[in-house]
Amino acid sequence: AQSVTQLDSQVPVFEEAPVELRCNYSSSVSVYLFWYVQYPNQGLQLLLKYLSGSTLVKGINGFEAEFNKSQTSFHLRKPSVHISDTAEYFCAVIPTGGFKTIFGAGTRLFVKA
Amino acid sequence: KAGVTQTPRYLIKTRGQQVTLSCSPISGHRSVSWYQQTPGQGLQFLFEYFSETQRNKGNFPGRFSGRQFSNSRSEMNVSTLELGDSALYLCASSLLRDPSYEQYFGPGTRLTVT
Repeated sequence: AQSVTQLDSQVPVFEEAPVELRCNYSSSVSVYLFWYVQYPNQGLQLLLKYLSGSTLVKGINGFEAEFNKSQTSFHLRKPSVHISDTAEYFCAVIPTGGFKTIFGAGTRLFVKA
Repeated sequence: KAGVTQTPRYLIKTRGQQVTLSCSPISGHRSVSWYQQTPGQGLQFLFEYFSETQRNKGNFPGRFSGRQFSNSRSEMNVSTLELGDSALYLCASSLLRDPSYEQYFGPGTRLTVT
């Protein structure tokens, strides 16, 4: 079975500051890793994904994430956030050979002026 | 290209009733997955359909069911509604059952059970 832990439920940060949203996963098999963003009253939008290859993955809106297999982590980073980045962010995994997405509980990013 | 559409967007039902939610995937997409989102339990996988067959099912009671039609449109049904079924129900479509293909989410149907 797989599980995803997002270590922070809320992250307040000032505009133009860097941010890191932390994600750890547990799985007995290899997994594919994803980050999604959800704006109020909307569905989820894919930010980035790691399937294989380079462990540093770049996504949309200036976000990037690094896969660390030894620490089973996939933390999301942005060097300078904007007010418009205020949203909820979800880390997710899909086990290899499967197609069932397991989500973390979410991290609410609040960007202050 | 139109995105994933879900109808209705909002729904209020009474305990004991049943409800049917609809999801129209992006044209050409054959996989449709359903998720329940609540403040307490977060996002939980309900089921996934591909080529009119249920391929995966989450840990939900039998009151939750679904189906997929030949045009890939999908419906989910919840019978004998309980207060705890109040949630945002999201569907997502993908071209194929492969994680390298992006899942596109609809805006969701917000179900309130009173």
